[in-house]
Amino acid sequence: EAQVTQNPRYLITVTGKKLTVTCSQNMNHEYMSWYRQDPGLGLRQIYYSMNVEVTDKGDVPEGYKVSRKEKRNFPLILESPSPNQTSLYFCASSFLSGTGRNQPQHFGDGTRLSIL
Amino acid sequence: QKEVEQNSGPLSVPEGAIASLNCTYSDRVSQSFFWYRQYSGKSPELIMSIYSNGDKEDGRFTAQLNKASQYVSLLIRDSQPSDSATYLCAVNMFSGGYNKLIFGAGTRLAVHP
Repeated sequence: EAQVTQNPRYLITVTGKKLTVTCSQNMNHEYMSWYRQDPGLGLRQIYYSMNVEVTDKGDVPEGYKVSRKEKRNFPLILESPSPNQTSLYFCASSFLSGTGRNQPQHFGDGTRLSIL
Repeated sequence: QKEVEQNSGPLSVPEGAIASLNCTYSDRVSQSFFWYRQYSGKSPELIMSIYSNGDKEDGRFTAQLNKASQYVSLLIRDSQPSDSATYLCAVNMFSGGYNKLIFGAGTRLAVHP
């Protein structure tokens, strides 16, 4: 089954304790992306990757890191989490068109993070 | 000005009516446009994608794109209570240096029996 898998689904942790949210896709997609969703603000892109070893900042990258060592995996790293990073996080992936007509993104089920 | 704007709603329509959802965007060179449906606490699921001016129909859903006016809309015919959700408009902003998908804040649709 084609899917984007995120782990964990829920996490409660404390300020400053490094954490990683994993994301894996089995569709051989080039493009992968992380979003956070907050009430009233909608989905905001944190980082994206257009292929292995190619990553770039989205609109809200502060406090986050990513890596793309393999095509299928795109982990999100919070080196020193703070309470303002409490949010619902989604990973997504898609095929990439060189013409700008991108294919629709497939979303994971989401990770709800609470930073105390 | 926000890059992608939607009326937050709620948009309330009776069962069986047509629901009309609108979205405007700021980047004139955008070429890919998507409508997603999101139920509370769930991930967004794709409803429609549209790339060219005009209408695109899929079952009860019709997406309309007008690049000159920079708006995209979604019509839902014969609305059902199960259509009650938040509808997200997403626009791909692409140039040589970046390739971002920008979402609107979403319009909440409520279909009442």
